[in-house]
Amino acid sequence: GAGVSQSPRYKVTKRGQDVALRCDPISGHVSLYWYRQALGQGPEFLTYFNYEAQQDKSGLPNDRFSAERPEGSISTLTIQRTEQRDSAMYRCASSLGGWGTGGADTQYFGPGTRLTVL
Amino acid sequence: AQSVTQPDIHITVSEGASLELRCNYSYGATPYLFWYVQSPGQGLQLLLKYFSGDTLVQGIKGFEAEFKRSQSSFNLRKPSVHWSDAAEYFCAVGNNDMRFGAGTRLTVKP
Repeated sequence: GAGVSQSPRYKVTKRGQDVALRCDPISGHVSLYWYRQALGQGPEFLTYFNYEAQQDKSGLPNDRFSAERPEGSISTLTIQRTEQRDSAMYRCASSLGGWGTGGADTQYFGPGTRLTVL
Repeated sequence: AQSVTQPDIHITVSEGASLELRCNYSYGATPYLFWYVQSPGQGLQLLLKYFSGDTLVQGIKGFEAEFKRSQSSFNLRKPSVHWSDAAEYFCAVGNNDMRFGAGTRLTVKP
């Protein structure tokens, strides 16, 4: 597609429910990233993938958070047993990426999913 | 560990005035540095980036930034601010696990 898309754009859920947030990267982009952005803060790195392989999940705050990208394209970030402190904007980004760039790569961000946990 | 500090939470400038947004970073090697802009309700848009080479980089919308290794800084500048530049600006460092600063909110006075 023309850009990174995310769905849903807004999600309101009750505490204790599971949520799944979807990211559709730019076509042909190898690398995909998830960030969380609290109000008034910069994005906070959560995890990233090269193709279908999860390369770094050091930013996931606890084991209620998980992410997958089974076919190397669309990715899903899942939060189990949501808590109010999980409320934030969740942003996805993609880049051409791959093993050869050494990280010298530009990330393109989607519009984000605003998650509100009541 | 890599980190970014944006010392100014909020800056107000008059339209037509010059602008400088400060960014200091901590990074173990040659950093990859970025400036992004976020308008209300919008996603993050890349303004410019530094990977290597010329330390003065030009970006979109008339912005530029200068990498100063000795000062661990990557300040963003614009000679003449337009009202449409009002937004939140984020400096970031790193590569795959990019670290962002807390942002500087820019208000433009008419």
